[in-house]
Parts: sequence; structure tokens; C-alpha cells
Amino acid sequence: SQQGEEDPQALSIQEGENATMNCSYKTSINNLQWYRQNSGRGLVHLILIRSNEREKHSGRLRVTLDTSKKSSSLLITASRAADTASYFCAFRAGGTSYGKLTFGQGTILTVHP
Amino acid sequence: DGGITQSPKYLFRKEGQNVTLSCEQNLNHDAMYWYRQDPGQGLRLIYYSQIVNDFQKGDIAEGYSVSREKKESFPLTVTSAQKNPTAFYLCASSIWGAGQGYTFGSGTRLTVV
Repeated sequence: SQQGEEDPQALSIQEGENATMNCSYKTSINNLQWYRQNSGRGLVHLILIRSNEREKHSGRLRVTLDTSKKSSSLLITASRAADTASYFCAFRAGGTSYGKLTFGQGTILTVHP
Repeated sequence: DGGITQSPKYLFRKEGQNVTLSCEQNLNHDAMYWYRQDPGQGLRLIYYSQIVNDFQKGDIAEGYSVSREKKESFPLTVTSAQKNPTAFYLCASSIWGAGQGYTFGSGTRLTVV
């Protein structure tokens, strides 16, 4: 399968702790994106990191990309109960149509108050 | 406000029926996409369209059909040939290109009764 693999599948932490989610993929990529999905809702684009970038920050989010290992991680610092959601990585798999994204299976994050 | 609207939010289908899910965007995006999400799963691509009057099959197009007569609209028909249609359907749009994030609608939950 060309889908990304994310781990852990589920993560449960206390408010204030950091949450780290990992994504691995098998093809060359142009960029990797992270999305958030609240239960029963659509996905919201969080951050995009290009293949020539190694790290990117946006507020409490930090994304890293290691193209040699074909992996990325999303770190949420000082988590809040409102961060409870599913998080998905997405990328354009090599050889597929320009612009078409492939999504990972997602990590379910639960932040306890 | 610019955005992407899916309707209805909930849809019930009797076996043997065709049903059509609506997706409208006012973001002036060229590309539109339909994904299917099953419980606890990632997103799988059904169809996508780069421009008006053109669309391509995704990974799981069997039993589905689409049209793209207007830039703003990309309706999805779930036909009676789709044997397991119960799922959460997500529509998205983007500027066509490898470096672009998607904007998602809020989804339609389809249940076969």
C-alpha cells in the first residue's frame, strides 16, 4: 500500500504534556502535510513541510522531516484538552498525479484535563 | 467567508438506491476531491478533478460516479453497485499543485438502511 503509516495509533496524555506522532512513507515526496480532524468533522490543514526542509514550526506545533528515513514527526507542545482529535499525515506519493494526496491512517490523541 | 459546503450532513439510503452527495466551494479552487473514511481508518480517494469537465478515478472508484460541470461544484453519486456504502464522505478542494494544502468540507455520513 502507498498509504502512510502512523504511530502510535492512539495516544493518551495529560494536559501540559507534549504529544509526538510519527508518520512513515515508502515513496519519494514533494512535501508532507499534517491535518487534524475533530470527531465527526472534516479535516483541517495544520502545516506543510517541503522535502528540502528539515524542521518547521507553527505556534505549538513542530514538524520534522527526514527524507533519508522517509519519516516525519509532529510534536504538539504544552497540550490542551482542546487538542483532542485525530491527526493525519498526508503526502503526494511518487509517480502519482501532481497534487493528489495520500493520507496516513491517523493517530487518535486524547488530552485529559 | 470562503469555504466548502457539503450537504446533507446525514443521509440514509435504502439498498438498491442511488444517492447524490453535494459539494460546493467558493474558494475559486481548480481542484476538487472526494474521499471515503471508514471508522478508525484513514482517507481513501474516490475521484478527483483538476479542472471543469475533467475528472479521474482514485483508488476506490467502483460504485461511484461524479460530474464537474461547474468549477464550484463536484457532486458524488453513490450507486447501487457500491456494495458497502456506509461511511463518512469528505469533499476537499485545493489549488492544483504539489505544494498546496486541502480545504475540507464538514462531511456527509451515509448509512444504508
